[in-house]
Amino acid sequence: AQKITQTQPGMFVQEKEAVTLDCTYDTSDPSYGLFWYKQPSSGEMIFLIYQGSYDQQNATEGRYSLNFQKARKSANLVISASQLGDSAMYFCAMRDTNTDKLIFGTGTRLQVFP
Amino acid sequence: DARVTQTPRHKVTEMGQEVTMRCQPILGHNTVFWYRQTMMQGLELLAYFRNRAPLDDSGMPKDRFSAEMPDATLATLKIQPSEPRDSAVYFCASGLVQAGGAGELFFGEGSRLTVL
Repeated sequence: AQKITQTQPGMFVQEKEAVTLDCTYDTSDPSYGLFWYKQPSSGEMIFLIYQGSYDQQNATEGRYSLNFQKARKSANLVISASQLGDSAMYFCAMRDTNTDKLIFGTGTRLQVFP
Repeated sequence: DARVTQTPRHKVTEMGQEVTMRCQPILGHNTVFWYRQTMMQGLELLAYFRNRAPLDDSGMPKDRFSAEMPDATLATLKIQPSEPRDSAVYFCASGLVQAGGAGELFFGEGSRLTVL
């Protein structure tokens, strides 16, 4: 069975610093997709970044990058140059490409302070 | 801008009443998901559809919840009878899943349900 684990309930980072949010996953399927979503206090879910299991390079989207370590089954999100507006809940998710099923981790609350 | 539309945004009802939540997915998307979010359980997958066919509804309490896609522009989630423990934010999300593609989901703004 698939499983996503986010072990950090909360993280603090100072503005302009980089922060890494941890995500580990478990699956027996060779083909899968990994996602990160942001949920600000307003409640909407915002897609940030995607990594396919066969992608050779780590995904990057602006200040977001995904540190994909396949052998360790980890897909950590790195946010560079944190901004106050980055304060939010961050969810890691995994999609089984056979079933399209997308499951989420429990989330990490990031707080950026001045 | 294409977006997923959910109605109602907020619903307060009494225990035992029927609740229907509606979702209009983004035109052209082939998958639709229903999630429930609570503080205790986080984001739980309730049910999802591909090309309008239900693929998995194992996350739903079968005796009271039902999910349907009567057509490509409408997905519904119904609770009958509702109970206080159903109080949560219900999200609908749609995506276009293609071979080799990310297939990221686009979420609606959610329906906040309170059952008294």
